[in-house]
Amino acid sequence: GAGVSQTPSNKVTEKGKYVELRCDPISGHTALYWYRQSLGQGPEFLIYFQGTGAADDSGLPNDRFFAVRPEGSVSTLKIQRTERGDSAVYLCASSSDSRGTGELFFGEGSRLTVL
Amino acid sequence: GDSVTQMEGPVTLSEEAFLTINCTYTATGYPSLFWYVQYPGEGLQLLLKATKADDKGSNKGFEATYRKETTSFHLEKGSVQVSDSAVYFCALRGGGGGSNYKLTFGKGTLLTVNP
Repeated sequence: GAGVSQTPSNKVTEKGKYVELRCDPISGHTALYWYRQSLGQGPEFLIYFQGTGAADDSGLPNDRFFAVRPEGSVSTLKIQRTERGDSAVYLCASSSDSRGTGELFFGEGSRLTVL
Repeated sequence: GDSVTQMEGPVTLSEEAFLTINCTYTATGYPSLFWYVQYPGEGLQLLLKATKADDKGSNKGFEATYRKETTSFHLEKGSVQVSDSAVYFCALRGGGGGSNYKLTFGKGTLLTVNP
């Protein structure tokens, strides 16, 4: 597609539920990133994929968070047993640079609200 | 680790006023510095960047100069327009406290320009 697409744009769920957030990067971009933006804060790094593999998942806050990119294109961020503190905007970005140092193109984000 | 501190908002200006948004950083190495902008209802976009000391990034009338001696990267524009209303984020990458692909963001500054 023309840009990075994220779905859903808004997700409201109850505490303890499972959530999946999807990111469709710009076609041909090998690098994909997830960031989390809490209210009043700047985006914080979660995970970086180069191709199908997670090159760096050091930003995932705990083992309830997991992300996959099985075919090196679309990525899914999965959150188990959601907590109210998980409420945030989850941003996805992609880049054509194989070293991960090129310009990042961000999606509009998925706003997650955990009640 | 790396960190970015930027001027807290919100900032409200009249059209054609001069804009400065301050940004300072802490990094152990020699980071690249960025300003991102988020217009209402849109994803983060790269506004400008500078990769080494004394470089000046510029775009759309905005400028910022990489000042290593003061660890600063202040954003300026001589005459703002209503269409500049957005949230502005200062960010760094490759500062030594993180990786070359991981962006560290400030908290963002909301700018509102009134006609």
